[in-house]
Amino acid sequence: QLQLQESGPGLVKPSETLSLTCTVSGGSVSSRSYYWGWVRQPPGKGLEWIGLIYYSGSTYYNPSLKSRVSISVDTSKNQFSLNLSSVTAADTAVYYCARHDYGGNFDYFDYWGQGTLVSVSS
Amino acid sequence: QSVLTQPPSASGTPGQRVTISCSGSSSNIGSNTVNWYQQLPGTAPKLLIYSNNQRPSGVPDRFSGSKSGTSASLAISGLQSEDEADYYCAAWDDRMNGPLFGGGTKLTVL
Repeated sequence: QLQLQESGPGLVKPSETLSLTCTVSGGSVSSRSYYWGWVRQPPGKGLEWIGLIYYSGSTYYNPSLKSRVSISVDTSKNQFSLNLSSVTAADTAVYYCARHDYGGNFDYFDYWGQGTLVSVSS
Repeated sequence: QSVLTQPPSASGTPGQRVTISCSGSSSNIGSNTVNWYQQLPGTAPKLLIYSNNQRPSGVPDRFSGSKSGTSASLAISGLQSEDEADYYCAAWDDRMNGPLFGGGTKLTVL
């Protein structure tokens, strides 16, 4: 059974960089069949897609965050990571990593991590 | 900016049938498939419906999805107390070049 687990600091200071890692077990980030992604959810609000990465390093980013986001993959550790720079209080959210399945005309997140709350505060 | 519009809330009594709508545009629902996610309180989202009307293994057939033009709907029949959750529609958006989520609908079982 595929499992994803987010890890990283729960508190980040304003203007600094938020860094999270997603460790995948029961599957491989090197699979050519999937992308791997990040989604966030501010407290009491809805879901927002952040970005996707393929095993090769190819990425898609949400245009609203693109200038501050970087997602990378480490196939040797079966992990992928999120960096979000110049954070503000508006970046306080639960951050989820997820597997993104896709095909000719379909795409969806089928496996999700449990999520990790990151608060931005001095 | 692309948007998927859902009603903020919906409700029903046990055994009832409820529907949740999701309205988009030609750049998302109009040209790509729709997915629905269920988020129980305090948990991660769970894929409920994919490719407009397909259920992943383990999802009861009480849940069904449909799509017409630039709109989609999620129907829940035989409503149960454990269905009380937030429901999100999502579709790839060609302008954003990524998946777009609706604002979510909070379903209350009265």
